[in-house]
Amino acid sequence: GENVEQHPSTLSVQEGDSAVIKCTYSDSASNYFPWYKQELGKGPQLIIDIRSNVGEKKDQRIAVTLNKTAKHFSLHITETQPEDSAVYFCAALPSRNSGNTPLVFGKGTRLSVIA
Amino acid sequence: KAGVTQTPRYLIKTRGQQVTLSCSPISGHRSVSWYQQTPGQGLQFLFEYFSETQRNKGNFPGRFSGRQFSNSRSEMNVSTLELGDSALYLCASSLDRGRITPLHFGNGTRLTVT
Repeated sequence: GENVEQHPSTLSVQEGDSAVIKCTYSDSASNYFPWYKQELGKGPQLIIDIRSNVGEKKDQRIAVTLNKTAKHFSLHITETQPEDSAVYFCAALPSRNSGNTPLVFGKGTRLSVIA
Repeated sequence: KAGVTQTPRYLIKTRGQQVTLSCSPISGHRSVSWYQQTPGQGLQFLFEYFSETQRNKGNFPGRFSGRQFSNSRSEMNVSTLELGDSALYLCASSLDRGRITPLHFGNGTRLTVT
């Protein structure tokens, strides 16, 4: 079935710098890749998603890129702020033939933005 | 629009007991999924319900079960609790069962088994 690897597991950046989180997936038929942000005491919140027919998507300071050939996708956060500190999860939606799991998640990246 | 609501927020149970968790999806959402979140394993899929029927099931023992009601609200039950069942249980809803439909999570129920 689908396997999603996420790196790094922890990331510290200075306020104002950029942060990049990378994920790889195994099922070449996966066609949807959301990113979630989880703050302390809360559930994961969808922050951006991309479909396999698009290479890049931006929403203000957040962008996601997808390389289908290499089977990896990345989250880019520019001009980081302390409120960006959270755990970020990537996920991939596998094809019907690779298992019965709707979304497969990476293990998460704990981002700390240092003021 | 109200988000996904999960009750209770916290539960403390003893080994061998059973527990029922509740989830109210976003109004109009018909699909409900459940995930278990632990520090070591991340987010693990439990099951998905749509139109009161279980559509998908993850790799969990039969002690984990769920159901969905006609108003799309869902419950999950864990019987004969084990220490390893301690986790954050997350419910997520989506508009439909289309393959590309964003999942929206609740804030979870923190279950502690002693």
